[in-house]
Formats: sequence, C-alpha cells, structure tokens
Amino acid sequence: DGGITQSPKYLFRKEGQNVTLSCEQNLNHDAMYWYRQDPGQGLRLIYYSQIVNDFQKGDIAEGYSVSREKKESFPLTVTSAQKNPTAFYLCASSYGGARQPQHFGDGTRLSIL
Amino acid sequence: KNEVEQSPQNLTAQEGEFITINCSYSVGISALHWLQQHPGGGIVSLFMLSSGKKKHGRLIATINIQEKHSSLHITASHPRDSAVYICAVSRRGFGNEKLTFGTGTRLTIIP
Repeated sequence: DGGITQSPKYLFRKEGQNVTLSCEQNLNHDAMYWYRQDPGQGLRLIYYSQIVNDFQKGDIAEGYSVSREKKESFPLTVTSAQKNPTAFYLCASSYGGARQPQHFGDGTRLSIL
Repeated sequence: KNEVEQSPQNLTAQEGEFITINCSYSVGISALHWLQQHPGGGIVSLFMLSSGKKKHGRLIATINIQEKHSSLHITASHPRDSAVYICAVSRRGFGNEKLTFGTGTRLTIIP
C-alpha cells in the first residue's frame, strides 16, 4: 500500500543537540512538506520541496534544515538553534499544484529532556 | 484575526446526531480542504472543494465562495467519528504549498 512513513513516532532531544526526523513516501509525489503543530494553533509550514534537489522556506523555517536528495525522502533536522522545538511534526506529500490534496504521515512528537 | 476561523472549537454530541462544523476564511482561495486528525495524530484528507458540494458516505462538505464559508456535515454520527476536524485553504496565486490552517474542531460522539 502506498503512503507516507514518519519515524520515529516519539523522539527525545537533549538541549544543544540536533535531531533528524525521517519522512519517506512511496506515492510517487513530487511535492513534500513539513509542518509543525502546537496546542491550540493551526499547522504551520516549516519547509516544502516541489522537486528533487530544491526546497523553499515556509513560515517558520528558523532553526530547521531539510534536504531533498531523493524523490521519496524529505528529512527534517531540528537544530540547536531552534529554541522551542517541543511540538508535533507532520510530513505531507502531494502531486503539487493548487488542486491536489496533500497526504499526511502519522507524525513525530519531539520532546526536550 | 486568523485568516481561517472554525467553529465551534469543541463539540460533544450523542450518537446518531447530525453534526455541523463551520469554517470561515478571509483570503482569496483556489480550494478549501477538510481534514480529519485522529487521536494518535495522523491526518487524513476528507475533501478538497472549490465550489458547491461533495459527499462521501455520511460526510458532506459545502462551500459558498461569495460568503467565504464552508461547512462539514456528518449524518448519523458514530463514536468512531470522534476526532479533530481541520479546515485549510489553498490561497489563490500561491499554489498548494501555501495551505493556511484553522485551529480545528474537536468532536466527541458519546455512545
């Protein structure tokens, strides 16, 4: 079955450490997205990629980095520069364009020890 | 003021009741999305619409472009419908990457 796989489901980070969240899709989608969800707030876009080897900053990119070396993979690194990284992170993908729905993964919950 | 507003924030109903969740937006859009977030956190896309009405099983979504308003209806509600329902809009001219999300409506259906 096609879908989006995020791992791990739960992740703990010590202060000052970088951590990488994995996102893999086998839907043959061109576009991939990373969102952050905080309690009481709507999802906010961190980074998105419309094609391999290209990505753009979203609304809250500071303290995060991404890469898109393969079509099916879009890992997100939460760097030590992100001062408030505790949140729920969701990855999504789509065929791209305004009339295509996005397909979401099950999310990764990141907590700071 | 948020660009996408949902109401109510929380809704509790008895099994079998007809449910309505509302979404209003203040920006020009090319499409509106209704999403369902399960208690574990995963999100499923329910509808994407730019005009009129769509139906899938017991779920119906409508949109009024002139009034900048959309509703999600659930007929014969069931406890398995308990979830957070999220409205999002694709802003006109930005493509799908510029989804703007509401804060969600938490629905609880009591048996």
